[in-house]
Amino acid sequence: NAGVTQTPKFRVLKTGQSMTLLCAQDMNHEYMYWYRQDPGMGLRLIHYSVGEGTTAKGEVPDGYNVSRLKKQNFLLGLESAAPSQTSVYFCASSWGTGIQPQHFGDGTRLSIL
Amino acid sequence: SQQGEEDPQALSIQEGENATMNCSYKTSINNLQWYRQNSGRGLVHLILIRSNEREKHSGRLRVTLDTSKKSSSLLITASRAADTASYFCATLGGATNKLIFGTGTLLAVQP
Repeated sequence: NAGVTQTPKFRVLKTGQSMTLLCAQDMNHEYMYWYRQDPGMGLRLIHYSVGEGTTAKGEVPDGYNVSRLKKQNFLLGLESAAPSQTSVYFCASSWGTGIQPQHFGDGTRLSIL
Repeated sequence: SQQGEEDPQALSIQEGENATMNCSYKTSINNLQWYRQNSGRGLVHLILIRSNEREKHSGRLRVTLDTSKKSSSLLITASRAADTASYFCATLGGATNKLIFGTGTLLAVQP
């Protein structure tokens, strides 16, 4: 059982380039989330989805877009990468919100030069 | 918007000792969750404690919650080298009413 899978695991981009991070879950979860983790700042929610075809802004959405065309996939896009977006990106999923635990992937380490 | 803050930021102990980490939060909660993150990996859910519970156990983990002080503690008994990780508390909050994570406690267990 794979759980939550993120691709790629590592990526280096130049300023202004675009890319898409892919998250896939095989637990039939309704909710999916994208976070970024920076030193000393914990995890911050970028965007989330409460079901197929839905997306919503989190705490730090600027510079990112997301899509949830299929229930099992949640894509995070950077249209024009900036050095400030250098971070580790985590995807998570859950049955619901509130008391439901979130299941995390192992992250994508992204460097913007 | 930081809902939970862990204390201490870093903790180093010897194998077999107990490790205690604290979490303080700002607003009223329905429940509080603890997660572990091993180096280079994603977070793993450890335990959830509801606001009407004062203490909860899971194996070598003991979590307490004091809603009057807006604080929680995570105790790991008889620690092992494999417990070396960062530990985060998380509560619902913010404008989105989604989980907000603290900055974490980095625990190092020396063999």
